[in-house]
Amino acid sequence: RKEVEQDPGPFNVPEGATVAFNCTYSNSASQSFFWYRQDCRKEPKLLMSVYSSGNEDGRFTAQLNRASQYISLLIRDSKLSDSATYLCVVTAPDYKLSFGAGTTVTVRA
Amino acid sequence: NAGVTQTPKFQVLKTGQSMTLQCAQDMNHNSMYWYRQDPGMGLRLIYYSASEGTTDKGEVPNGYNVSRLNKREFSLRLESAAPSQTSVYFCASRRQGAVTDTQYFGPGTRLTVL
Repeated sequence: RKEVEQDPGPFNVPEGATVAFNCTYSNSASQSFFWYRQDCRKEPKLLMSVYSSGNEDGRFTAQLNRASQYISLLIRDSKLSDSATYLCVVTAPDYKLSFGAGTTVTVRA
Repeated sequence: NAGVTQTPKFQVLKTGQSMTLQCAQDMNHNSMYWYRQDPGMGLRLIYYSASEGTTDKGEVPNGYNVSRLNKREFSLRLESAAPSQTSVYFCASRRQGAVTDTQYFGPGTRLTVL
């Protein structure tokens, strides 16, 4: 079983729509959680950290559910520029990072 | 401030050839990493270096070697390239603080082994 699993999508949504997707992790001792964004043929970049109480960054909302071992990302009022692959990243107690394979989001005009 | 730089950006090798991928960071980070990214697989850790002078195996180290030359530079070597090593290789450095934990990636090296 992969340490971090994501629905690969693609999620194809119109501009202005809300899109949400999850990521599950297998190690219950995981400590830190992140969402990275990767544009086509580019390097990943940190989008936001995910805190236990949930957090927002503009149109992006991240949630953590430790009991069910998943994190989520919600994008409100989608823009064309939100089209990308979103990588879920989990840190183990030894501080090693595990990456999901990514969820592809395409926002259409 | 260049962040993380990688060379080369593209490379084509024949089976059995060797090459070294170079990586450098100018952010004074202790930790550096090498990943490979294949379709549908996500990023997989090849090797990492928690600090200057130390290196450790990651998830997929076979067929690779690394050198942490100094705090700035972390190179990845393929001694005898195989078609299974066709991939995109990313180097990263990591900033860890009391409330922050961020990896900064280089632009990647696209390697094809024929």
